[in-house]
This record gives sequence, C-alpha cells and structure tokens, in this order.
Amino acid sequence: GENVEQHPSTLSVQEGDSAVIKCTYSDSASNYFPWYKQELGKGPQLIIDIRSNVGEKKDQRIAVTLNKTAKHFSLHITETQPEDSAVYFCAASRETGANNLFFGTGTRLTVIP
Amino acid sequence: EAGVTQFPSHSVIEKGQTVTLRCDPISGHDNLYWYRRVMGKEIKFLLHFVKESKQDESGMPNNRFLAERTGGTYSTLKVQPAELEDSGVYFCASSQRLTPTLTGELFFGEGSRLTVL
Repeated sequence: GENVEQHPSTLSVQEGDSAVIKCTYSDSASNYFPWYKQELGKGPQLIIDIRSNVGEKKDQRIAVTLNKTAKHFSLHITETQPEDSAVYFCAASRETGANNLFFGTGTRLTVIP
Repeated sequence: EAGVTQFPSHSVIEKGQTVTLRCDPISGHDNLYWYRRVMGKEIKFLLHFVKESKQDESGMPNNRFLAERTGGTYSTLKVQPAELEDSGVYFCASSQRLTPTLTGELFFGEGSRLTVL
C-alpha cells in the first residue's frame, strides 16, 4: 500500500517568514495530493490540492508543488500569519475514494508574532 | 448548515471498558467515513459507509471495533473491550459523492479523543 512520509514534525517561524512542509510517497499510481489544515479544536480542513498532471498550484499565500519523478510534494506558505498556526497533513490517493486516502504524520506549525 | 459533529469530544476510560463514539454527518451526505490518528502518527482510514451499508471496512483493526449506521443517518463506533493501544483521536468525515477526492468535498468532524488507561 501507499506510504506517505512528512517532514518536519514541528516547525516554528517568525510572522512574515515562509514555511515549507515536505512529503514523499511510495505508490507511483497515486495521482491526487491534498493538504489539510487542522486548527485547535477543529477537524482537518482541505486547504489546497494538486493532481498529478500539474506541477504547481497556487492559492493566495499557499502553494503546492509536485515532483512525480521523485515522488515528492511540498506545501509552501508565504508571509505567514499567526492564524496559520495549526497542524498540517499531507495525503496521497489514487482518487478511487476517501478510503484510499493515505495521510502523513502531520506538521505542527507555529507562527511566532 | 451544520458540519460533521462528533460526540464525545473526549472520553477517558479504563482498559477493558466499553466506549461508544457517535458521528452525525452533514445532512444529505450518504457517505460516512471513520478515521483514527494514534498519537503523533498518521490519520488512518477505518471504514466507509454508503447510507447504512458498509462499503469498505478494511481499516478496522480487529473485532473489538464495531461500527453501525442504522437508518443511514448518524453512525456509532463502539470499542469493546478497550485496550491501551486504542487511544487516539477518532475522526468522522462525510461526503455527498462516492469519490469526494475528485471534488475535494470531504468534510471532517473535530474528532473524539479516546484515552484508555
């Protein structure tokens, strides 16, 4: 089955700096890569996703890059703000359903004001 | 519109006791999923309901776990008897479509934290 590794497990940045979280996956057939943000007391919420036919996707301060050859994908947050503080999960899937959604171990991001 | 709601938010029980977790999906969502995150590890799929039927229960760890969704509305996940390794956060998610990853429409509840002492 799919194995998703996520690094780092914790990340602290100063407000206004950039944050990068990296994930690798093992199943070359995976073709959908979502990122979830879990704020304190809330459930994971999809913030951005990318499919295997695209190398990069941006949404305001958030971007995701995908390197299919190396089986790497990354989340980039620019101009971080305190409200970006949360646990972020990457995931990989063959797009056959949410039962085949494999998550990373999570990254706790702290943005220091 | 209400989101996915889970109850209780936190449960502390002794090893060997029974706990029942409840999930109310978003109204009209036929697909309901249970996931679990053991401390510091990844979120793992447990099972998937389509209405009241179990579509996929390949992630259920053992027969101490019983999930039901009578009437195709809310779902319960019972752990009996609970063991120490069952501690973790149990997430419920729901979707309208069978393949929510195609549209990103998979909505999670806030989770039920289970602590087994």
